[in-house]
Amino acid sequence: EVQLVESGGGLVQPGRSLKLSCAASGFTFSNYYMAWVRQAPKKGLEWVATISTSGSRTYYPDSVKGRFTISRDNAKSSLYLQMNSLKSEDTATYYCARQQFITKGGFAYWGQGTLVTVSS
Amino acid sequence: DTVLTQSPALAVSLGQRVTISCRASKSVSTYMHWYQQKSGQQPKLLIYSASNLESGVPSRFSGSGSGTDFTLTIDPVEADDIANYYCQQSNELPFTFGSGTKLEIK
Repeated sequence: EVQLVESGGGLVQPGRSLKLSCAASGFTFSNYYMAWVRQAPKKGLEWVATISTSGSRTYYPDSVKGRFTISRDNAKSSLYLQMNSLKSEDTATYYCARQQFITKGGFAYWGQGTLVTVSS
Repeated sequence: DTVLTQSPALAVSLGQRVTISCRASKSVSTYMHWYQQKSGQQPKLLIYSASNLESGVPSRFSGSGSGTDFTLTIDPVEADDIANYYCQQSNELPFTFGSGTKLEIK
């Protein structure tokens, strides 16, 4: 059974940093592109980052480019999101997601999410 | 960026057919996916690449469309289908989601 378990969320002050983790199990982690998707309270979904199978390629929207860094450790079946210079608008539940094993596929599996609150 | 437009809400009677639409600001070919998100839960992939049913998803769900206009159909609607439904395109970066359609029961 595919499982994705996020951790590392919490309350953080504006301008500070936070690192999220996602522990994956139930599949061969190194075979899949992985992503982070967030959802602000009572709002819609926003893609945050994607990383290739080896970690050599990463992709971000402009809203987080230069502040967030996605990474992975295939030996540990773990995905990470380093978030720097946090802003109040980064407050959201952050989901770890596994992308489909097809070209331009969707997000086939999601974790339960971890809440990040940016506030002074 | 590719903007995806969805109607905010739809009300439907149980047992009826409902279609949820998603319009893209530019062509996304068939790289459109649909998700269901129930209250307090993570999203769930229902339909991928416009018309392919994800494994384990009931056949009451179907998808169609290409280019800029897409639909998700539920027939018949069951009480368990009360949720928000999101479309998402993966044709080009940045990946974008629609704002969601809330399905309500009449």
